[in-house]
Amino acid sequence: AQSVSQHNHHVILSEAASLELGCNYSYGGTVNLFWYVQYPGQHLQLLLKYFSGDPLVKGIKGFEAEFIKSKFSFNLRKPSVQWSDTAEYFCAVKSTGANNLFFGTGTRLTVIP
Amino acid sequence: DAMVIQNPRYQVTQFGKPVTLSCSQTLNHNVMYWYQQKSSQAPKLLFHYYDKDFNNEADTPDNFQSRRPNTSFCFLDIRSPGLGDAAMYLCATSRDRWSYNEQFFGPGTRLTVL
Repeated sequence: AQSVSQHNHHVILSEAASLELGCNYSYGGTVNLFWYVQYPGQHLQLLLKYFSGDPLVKGIKGFEAEFIKSKFSFNLRKPSVQWSDTAEYFCAVKSTGANNLFFGTGTRLTVIP
Repeated sequence: DAMVIQNPRYQVTQFGKPVTLSCSQTLNHNVMYWYQQKSSQAPKLLFHYYDKDFNNEADTPDNFQSRRPNTSFCFLDIRSPGLGDAAMYLCATSRDRWSYNEQFFGPGTRLTVL
């Protein structure tokens, strides 16, 4: 069965600090990978996704993620966070041909002004 | 704006009293999903509709049912809610069932069972 691990449950950073959130998945086949963000009081929204091609994916609001197949990882990065990035971040995996989107448990990011 | 709408945002029901949660979409997407998200846990897929074709996840309890009367609306029925069914219920849509299609989420309905 597929699973997604997000090891950081809560990350606290000061503004302008760099961010890296870890995501590892377990599945041996071809996958599509997603990062969703949930701002306080809002719905889940897509930050970025990977399905083929360049393993370095750029998303909205300056976020990027790198797919490293050998490590089964899809870490999210941002060089300089802002207070408005305070939110919960979910990594999700979908195997090709499947309908089920497997989510990690999420990482809460708090950015201190 | 096109979106996924869930009503109500907060629902309180009594133990064993049937409850229905509603989802509508203006995206004209073929697929609609229902997820359950308990506190500090990952959202978990309960079932989805591809057009009128209902697809239940193997571990979804029989207590949970769904209806999709038309493209725009999808309902989640909990026949006899237990205390363990208290959770956030998320509705999502996607254009098609291909894996690279992103899913668009509604704001969720938080269900409390007394």
